[in-house]
Amino acid sequence: QSALTQPASVSGSPGQSITISCTGTSSDVGGYKYVSWYQQHPGKDPKLMIYDVSNRPSGVSNRFSGSKSGNTASLTISGLQAEDEADYYCSSYTSTSTRVFGGGTKLTVL
Amino acid sequence: QVQLQESGPGLVKPSETLSLTCTVSGSSISSSYWSWIRQPPGKGLEWIGYIYYSGSTSYNPSLKSRVTISVDTSKSQFSLKLSSVTAADTAVYYCARDSAILDAFDFWGQGTMVTVSS
Repeated sequence: QSALTQPASVSGSPGQSITISCTGTSSDVGGYKYVSWYQQHPGKDPKLMIYDVSNRPSGVSNRFSGSKSGNTASLTISGLQAEDEADYYCSSYTSTSTRVFGGGTKLTVL
Repeated sequence: QVQLQESGPGLVKPSETLSLTCTVSGSSISSSYWSWIRQPPGKGLEWIGYIYYSGSTSYNPSLKSRVTISVDTSKSQFSLKLSSVTAADTAVYYCARDSAILDAFDFWGQGTMVTVSS
């Protein structure tokens, strides 16, 4: 299975909004609602930010939102803050009952 | 609070078998799927495979021939064995709960670094 495609890096200034894309196929992202997003700060374990495309776990800021169109899922962070600077990964369920991650996106807050 | 803790050797010789165990607390191991995920230094996350408490498994096709995941419900542990390791298997290995409710990895271990070197 191939990794989902994410941009290597994105950047934005404090207060702005950014969107990270995650492109797969009809056998993963496009075929299921089971897309999730993770935030990982350096040296830390990943943290679940979004599940089932657009749902936030308890405790995650409402500045984080998710959506999907066709084979592409997106994570949007509004009102960027310095603490949002981290690596972000998408993940999807697949048609062969496996899981697949995206390559990761480094978010820089300018 | 659900907690996961990885344990095992931090150094494995090439061609040998990497063995790690994840101990789960704060959650019944019979309630979810449980995954192993790894991250080579400076690279992204790679899903290795999962196990359900019943013993059913699913593996990453690229690793399937070398991976075995097992569960010991009496000890609230699940384990990873990766055979015939090479330097490319050097990574931080995470165990995670693969929540059947959220369809996502909602709790993670802190990760354990495994280096493959002679």
